[in-house]
Amino acid sequence: DGGITQSPKYLFRKEGQNVTLSCEQNLNHDAMYWYRQDPGQGLRLIYYSQIVNDFQKGDIAEGYSVSREKKESFPLTVTSAQKNPTAFYLCASSIGDRVESPLHFGNGTRLTVT
Amino acid sequence: QQQVKQSPQSLIVQKGGISIINCAYENTAFDYFPWYQQFPGKGPALLIAIRPDVSEKKEGRFTISFNKSAKQFSLHIMDSQPGDSATYFCAARSYNQGGKLIFGQGTELSVKP
Repeated sequence: DGGITQSPKYLFRKEGQNVTLSCEQNLNHDAMYWYRQDPGQGLRLIYYSQIVNDFQKGDIAEGYSVSREKKESFPLTVTSAQKNPTAFYLCASSIGDRVESPLHFGNGTRLTVT
Repeated sequence: QQQVKQSPQSLIVQKGGISIINCAYENTAFDYFPWYQQFPGKGPALLIAIRPDVSEKKEGRFTISFNKSAKQFSLHIMDSQPGDSATYFCAARSYNQGGKLIFGQGTELSVKP
């Protein structure tokens, strides 16, 4: 089945540690996105990539980093500089070159930092 | 302005009733307005979408109404069912924004049997 795989589903880290969230897609989509979901705040865009080896900051990129070395993979690193990292993180992909191309989401990773 | 404002934050409807969720936007460059449905522990999935040259779009029990002059759009769920209980997000995108979707704050819908 084609889709987006995010792993792990739950992740626990101590404050001050960097952590990398995995996102893999087999939909052959060019564009990939990372969103953060907090209660009452909707989905906020962290980073997005429209093509391999290129990515742009979204609305809340501070404290996060990404890479796009392969078309299928778009890992997100939550660094120790992120002031409030505990959240539900969603990865998505789309065909990317048409305004109506829908986003396909993974099932998310819930990160808890204590 | 990139913001999309969604209301209400939560909604309780009896089975068989009509659920109505509203969204408003300011950026006139937006030209695509999808709605996503999210069940607990899952990622959102596209439910229905509309372009601004259409005032209404219906798919089964789900209807989007679009008011371009007021810069508002809404989702109507007819004959609401307990299985419709989920979080609903409106969103907007413009052709010159690199495919980015701007989401509303979400509405948690609960349909009581």
